[in-house]
Amino acid sequence: SQTIHQWPATLVQPVGSPLSLECTVEGTSNPNLYWYRQAAGRGLQLLFYSVGIGQISSEVPQNLSASRPQDRQFILSSKKLLLSDSGFYLCAWSVWGMDTEAFFGQGTRLTVV
Amino acid sequence: GNSVTQMEGPVTLSEEAFLTINCTYTATGYPSLFWYVQYPGEGLQLLLKATKADDKGSNKGFEATYRKETTSFHLEKGSVQVSDSAVYFCALSGDNYGQNFVFGPGTRLSVLP
Repeated sequence: SQTIHQWPATLVQPVGSPLSLECTVEGTSNPNLYWYRQAAGRGLQLLFYSVGIGQISSEVPQNLSASRPQDRQFILSSKKLLLSDSGFYLCAWSVWGMDTEAFFGQGTRLTVV
Repeated sequence: GNSVTQMEGPVTLSEEAFLTINCTYTATGYPSLFWYVQYPGEGLQLLLKATKADDKGSNKGFEATYRKETTSFHLEKGSVQVSDSAVYFCALSGDNYGQNFVFGPGTRLSVLP
């Protein structure tokens, strides 16, 4: 069966520090991968998605970047965090197809102080 | 572009009350429609889905029918429980190559004993 791992679960970082969040998927090949951010009490904002190794599409201009160094690995990074980067970050995957759903990780709660 | 609109709530109900959360969408082509549920501090879980017009998705007593004529996918449950307290997201997946998922803002449901 397929599983998705996302870590860390909680992170507190000072302003100006770097960030690296990692997400890996098991049990499937060539998944579509996504990073979403959920600000407190708000909906989901798509940050990045990837349809293959090294292929990243950015949905929103921001202080963050994403990379996909391996087929089932998706990394969210920042060189210098801002206070506004605080939020709940969710990684998700799906397979290519019209009627397939997205499967989500457990999320990372990032607090920038 | 594609979009999803849903009542933002919060919605507060007594146990055993009837639940309706409205969701309407705008999309080109023939999207698949989903309802996800998010419990506190967790990622999103798929609750139900429908992939074509007039399909009814159902799970755990929840139901939603894909209405193309009204571009709606309203979530209903005949008798809610305290354990149903969560945030509910309506979503669609478009027919573009990136398989992007578009989410509504979420509706917070609180069920009181």
